[in-house]
Amino acid sequence: DIVMTQSPDSLAVSLGERATINCKSSQSVFYSSNNQSNLAWYQQKPGQPPKLLIYLASMRESGVPDRFSGSGSGTDFTLTISSLQAEDVAVYYCQQYYSNPLTFGGGTKVEIK
Amino acid sequence: EVQLVESGGGLVHPGGSLRLSCAASGFTFSRYWMHWVRQAPGEGLVWVSRISDDGYTTFYADSVKGRFTISRDNAKNTLFLQMNSLRVEDTAVYYCARDRPYCGGGRCYGAGMDVWGQGTTVTVSS
Repeated sequence: DIVMTQSPDSLAVSLGERATINCKSSQSVFYSSNNQSNLAWYQQKPGQPPKLLIYLASMRESGVPDRFSGSGSGTDFTLTISSLQAEDVAVYYCQQYYSNPLTFGGGTKVEIK
Repeated sequence: EVQLVESGGGLVHPGGSLRLSCAASGFTFSRYWMHWVRQAPGEGLVWVSRISDDGYTTFYADSVKGRFTISRDNAKNTLFLQMNSLRVEDTAVYYCARDRPYCGGGRCYGAGMDVWGQGTTVTVSS
């Protein structure tokens, strides 16, 4: 199984500042057939289901604000919130979609400093 | 409106069974792979199972293999999860989710889960 490791477990960022979350996979999730890394990012607010933010490591889902961006390839990935807003307080998860079983990272809790 | 609505959760004794349902609306259900994902209280997300658009291909997490069965009825736009031999550690909110396809180079791939239900709670306790 591919193990997804997120860091940090939590972070507190001032409003308007940048938040950076890292995700590392235990093996590459890069598809050579389509030249893409099969990595997704989700946001989960308390009492709500997860919401897809990013797919294929860097492609923003429709309707997601452009302050959210994803980067990385192979085994190392980053989710960046360029200017944290109050509504961004949530837990963020990465997920590999490369092979079964699909696996999630442990989550990163983002709070306001 | 694209929507998924789960039902069937409840309290069950260890060793018991439950059948979860997920009613889909607002999209062509038969064109999408579908998933079940669970979340234990205060814990992270865990993928449970997925099923192909035609229902013939299924995958499971090792923790549920042989105990849970995913299925679908495309005529009724409904996804199911039959859960047998339930354990205390199966206690969780169970979400159904739609697979987000990405098509390129003449092929389509799953690339995330873009529509989620609100979840149904399963509690396994004596």
